[in-house]
Amino acid sequence: GAGVSQSPSNKVTEKGKDVELRCDPISGHTALYWYRQSLGQGLEFLIYFQGNSAPDKSGLPSDRFSAERTGGSVSTLTIQRTQQEDSAVYLCASSPHDGGEGEQYFGPGTRLTVT
Amino acid sequence: AQSVTQPDIHITVSEGASLELRCNYSYGATPYLFWYVQSPGQGLQLLLKYFSGDTLVQGIKGFEAEFKRSQSSFNLRKPSVHWSDAAEYFCAVGAWYGNKLVFGAGTILRVKS
Repeated sequence: GAGVSQSPSNKVTEKGKDVELRCDPISGHTALYWYRQSLGQGLEFLIYFQGNSAPDKSGLPSDRFSAERTGGSVSTLTIQRTQQEDSAVYLCASSPHDGGEGEQYFGPGTRLTVT
Repeated sequence: AQSVTQPDIHITVSEGASLELRCNYSYGATPYLFWYVQSPGQGLQLLLKYFSGDTLVQGIKGFEAEFKRSQSSFNLRKPSVHWSDAAEYFCAVGAWYGNKLVFGAGTILRVKS
């Protein structure tokens, strides 16, 4: 079946602009996660969705970052007033379970470059 | 809070040789442990996972890992490495709720022919 998809695959933006990154999880997966992968910080958790609600936003680095999920499916990560330190690969993952035993299936990521 | 240490940043092995990638974790309760592999420009693929039960777990592509609670380790092994195994390998630990994953820094595996 179809895996997790993310769009765009690459995004180049100017400092100060807003960007939206999209994630389409595997159909029926209730849990959705966003991670960020950068050279200096490795793989970092950003936010976790259970259905449409986000019980854990502890990884969002600043209030410029926000995310929403609608219909228990698609999620959008928005970065406002982008900074160069936001340059990274943003990975989305989904899981059929909300608990600890749920393995996560990752998308290919969106590479964000802020110039 | 959970944490994961992968002490080896790079490892080079000859094709056909055995492989062991080290992973040490810190977590106050029974951990959920995972190994993922990432090929260049690709997302993360799950190799194997440990939740409970048998401490030796088998995964895809001929990989296995052993959970040792006394050593807080979850090392990944493969008896005979193939050139296609060259990639970056990440160990991760998850919590009981939400399964937010905390990843190690990764180990880059190079396979020489």
